[in-house]
Amino acid sequence: DQQVKQNSPSLSVQEGRISILNCDYTNSMFDYFLWYKKYPAEGPTFLISISSIKDKNEDGRFTVFLNKSAKHLSLHIVPSQPGDSAVYFCAARGSNTGKLIFGQGTTLQVKP
Amino acid sequence: AAGVIQSPRHLIKEKRETATLKCYPIPRHDTVYWYQQGPGQDPQFLISFYEKMQSDKGSIPDRFSAQQFSDYHSELNMSSLELGDSALYFCASSSVTYEQYFGPGTRLTVT
Repeated sequence: DQQVKQNSPSLSVQEGRISILNCDYTNSMFDYFLWYKKYPAEGPTFLISISSIKDKNEDGRFTVFLNKSAKHLSLHIVPSQPGDSAVYFCAARGSNTGKLIFGQGTTLQVKP
Repeated sequence: AAGVIQSPRHLIKEKRETATLKCYPIPRHDTVYWYQQGPGQDPQFLISFYEKMQSDKGSIPDRFSAQQFSDYHSELNMSSLELGDSALYFCASSSVTYEQYFGPGTRLTVT
């Protein structure tokens, strides 16, 4: 039972354009959401997070939007750069636990 | 800035052998998490420790055990290794915020 889903296994965008990565979840008890970037043979790198009491958080080129009613969040990267090419994981944290539940990941390719 | 350190980075073991993975959290981080990532899969939570006490437990086999020591480093002990244990094992640490910072991982190969 996948509680956090990233339905797009891959995404390809042109350099300079916007990348939008999507994530859906089923558990309404999640209270914190995080996005990680991962290169092969490396650990996930924390990018940005959002609390369930907010609907938007912005950090430089990265913005995360949360729609609680739809149980949906998205990561926007503007402008996209070739160095952004990696696997992006969405993760959710339960309100009574610190463990993270990850989505399946989306491979982003930014073409020069 | 200091990051999470994991050792060894690579480990090759035979079936039924034992392995010990070590994790050194970011200084002043009091919580350590262990995750397992199989080939083509997302990371799966195994176990966590807060202030040297087990705080949560996930899908960790009974053959595995872990602990957090007084210096906050943690060790994951894996016995009677099986081929299916081959995976990337990540350690993450956190403090009062909810962000978890991951180490580079240990790639375990069981032959």
